[in-house]
Amino acid sequence: NAGVTQTPKFRVLKTGQSMTLLCAQDMNHEYMYWYRQDPGMGLRLIHYSVGEGTTAKGEVPDGYNVSRLKKQNFLLGLESAAPSQTSVYFCASSLYGRGQNNEQFFGPGTRLTVL
Amino acid sequence: AQTVTQSQPEMSVQEAETVTLSCTYDTSESDYYLFWYKQPPSRQMILVIRQEAYKQQNATENRFSVNFQKAAKSFSLKISDSQLGDAAMYFCAYRRGRSSNSGYALNFGKGTSLLVTP
Repeated sequence: NAGVTQTPKFRVLKTGQSMTLLCAQDMNHEYMYWYRQDPGMGLRLIHYSVGEGTTAKGEVPDGYNVSRLKKQNFLLGLESAAPSQTSVYFCASSLYGRGQNNEQFFGPGTRLTVL
Repeated sequence: AQTVTQSQPEMSVQEAETVTLSCTYDTSESDYYLFWYKQPPSRQMILVIRQEAYKQQNATENRFSVNFQKAAKSFSLKISDSQLGDAAMYFCAYRRGRSSNSGYALNFGKGTSLLVTP
């Protein structure tokens, strides 16, 4: 049981390049989230998904796209990377949304640098 | 939107002593959950403790306990018998009990960096 995994762990991009971050969970969770963490800030929500085939925008969605074609995977795409997207990206998942036992499990993070 | 404020960017404690980290939040909801997460240098987000708003009793997890003051919208974390391994960034987070336009996402404070000295 690997929990939540993220690929890659580190990446350096040039401005204008594209890339996809992969999040995978093996806990059969319905809900998945992408957050970003910047220096001096807490995590902020980029996009989220409440189930296979669904996605929705969070607090800071501009410049990102997501897809949830399979229940266990949640992909975050940067079509044209900008230096402002330099950040650490975290994926999280939870069994459901509401209720008292819906802890969010976090992946190890991806450090992305855009030059 | 709910806001979470951690007014202490950095705190320091000696090994074996007790330290309290502060957190306040702003909400008009009655159904919500509060969390403290620990983020060590490895970057992994680790859930330390959680509190349901409808519970009056303060949550405890071994050396970690909270002081939940619902009327004051305050949620502080007390770490007793501090250990070197407690050194990390600590984040306070809020989650609505009902779905919103951000699902059930967590709203985080900016964090408090805890230094533990021998």
